[in-house]
Amino acid sequence: GAVVSQHPSRVICKSGTSVKIECRSLDFQATTMFWYRQFPKQSLMLMATSNEGSKATYEQGVEKDKFLINHASLTLSTLTVTSAHPEDSSFYICSAEAGGGATDTQYFGPGTRLTVL
Amino acid sequence: DAKTTQPPSMDCAEGRAANLPCNHSTISGNEYVYWYRQIHSQGPQYIIHGLKNNETNEMASLIITEDRKSSTLILPHATLRDTAVYYCIVRVAVGNEKLTFGTGTRLTIIP
Repeated sequence: GAVVSQHPSRVICKSGTSVKIECRSLDFQATTMFWYRQFPKQSLMLMATSNEGSKATYEQGVEKDKFLINHASLTLSTLTVTSAHPEDSSFYICSAEAGGGATDTQYFGPGTRLTVL
Repeated sequence: DAKTTQPPSMDCAEGRAANLPCNHSTISGNEYVYWYRQIHSQGPQYIIHGLKNNETNEMASLIITEDRKSSTLILPHATLRDTAVYYCIVRVAVGNEKLTFGTGTRLTIIP
């Protein structure tokens, strides 16, 4: 199956700092990547859809100026949490869409656990 | 709006077949049924997907009823490593459609 990586896997930062998370599709090109957030004991919630070469589409209630998304190439999307606060502590997961066949399938990265002190 | 309904939890004995049901009575004609699972503190893992015919791969089998209003994911010989939350999701299979996760079924494999 297709492989998606994320870096870092875990990050701890101080309140007010910014954190960048990278998502890479390792063996396929992805014109579209997705960013999810998961709080403890809850399901995944889509934050935004990242399209290569264009602006991301954010879900309702997600602040685009706080969660900056850049999809500069067909294998890399980044999520930057700006001015992080303790309430931003969560598990951030990306996925990349692998297409080219009759159907598309999203493959997920291993996730990044963010802790804001 | 939830498009799928799954039981919140299930147990299965190790070595037995695990049958996970999913109801999707409002599925549209161009929507596929996708199954993912999430092992604790990991990203979701793709398992299988199908439109109307039964599907099988190295991980599982997917049985979709003729009216497509429900489906069953079958893990033929469950192991302890199959303990996870299993998500049944319906979506259009092209056009970069987003996945909407419900609460899934927490499957526990009992030794």
